Amino acid sequence: DAKTTQPTSMDCAEGRAANLPCNHSTISGNEYVYWYRQIHSQGPQYIIHGLKNNETNEMASLIITEDRKSSTLILPHATLRDTAVYYCIVRVPLLYSGGGADGLTFGKGTHLIIQP
Amino acid sequence: DAGITQSPRHKVTETGTPVTLRCHQTENHRYMYWYRQDPGHGLRLIHYSYGVKDTDKGEVSDGYSVSRSKTEDFLLTLESATSSQTSVYFCAIKISGGEEDTQYFGPGTRLTVL
Repeated sequence: DAKTTQPTSMDCAEGRAANLPCNHSTISGNEYVYWYRQIHSQGPQYIIHGLKNNETNEMASLIITEDRKSSTLILPHATLRDTAVYYCIVRVPLLYSGGGADGLTFGKGTHLIIQP
Repeated sequence: DAGITQSPRHKVTETGTPVTLRCHQTENHRYMYWYRQDPGHGLRLIHYSYGVKDTDKGEVSDGYSVSRSKTEDFLLTLESATSSQTSVYFCAIKISGGEEDTQYFGPGTRLTVL
């Protein structure tokens, strides 16, 4: 799976949009971009994923650049409960990986702090 | 939360004792996973299962065994717990849809081995 680079930490004011960047310059054609977050002491929570088109769900939007070398997760109206560590992961779905262990590799992520 | 529960949620045990952690899902998904999370290491895959009685090793499987006798339950056993196995353990299931698949995690079990 391709390596990702994220800032260590970010601050955002409550009610504003939080934009979390991720670089994945070595991403291959069949690798998807996934975002998870982990609120202190809880299990990782799936947020969103995409291949090349921008995606939106009830939690967030995912913007992937045309060359797919970077992406941005957008939380449109951040609240204090969005304070967490956010992880960007790129991986090949099992359908294309040929089987075997397909555990997720979480890097250090971005610690997003929402300020009141 | 994809219908995943883990039990117990917290456990303190002594070195050398056997420990079994349980992961239960309500939706009959085929793939299930056990991870551990430690400071400085992120999440690491211990074992995974791709069906009833079908399991395989992950990155850090030494000292752990697993069993899956029915679809909904995936058990992680520490035959003889050691202090290095003090960790937070997360179970996950994978939901597949067409070409894509996504893993969803349980709430975790905090294990302390004294």
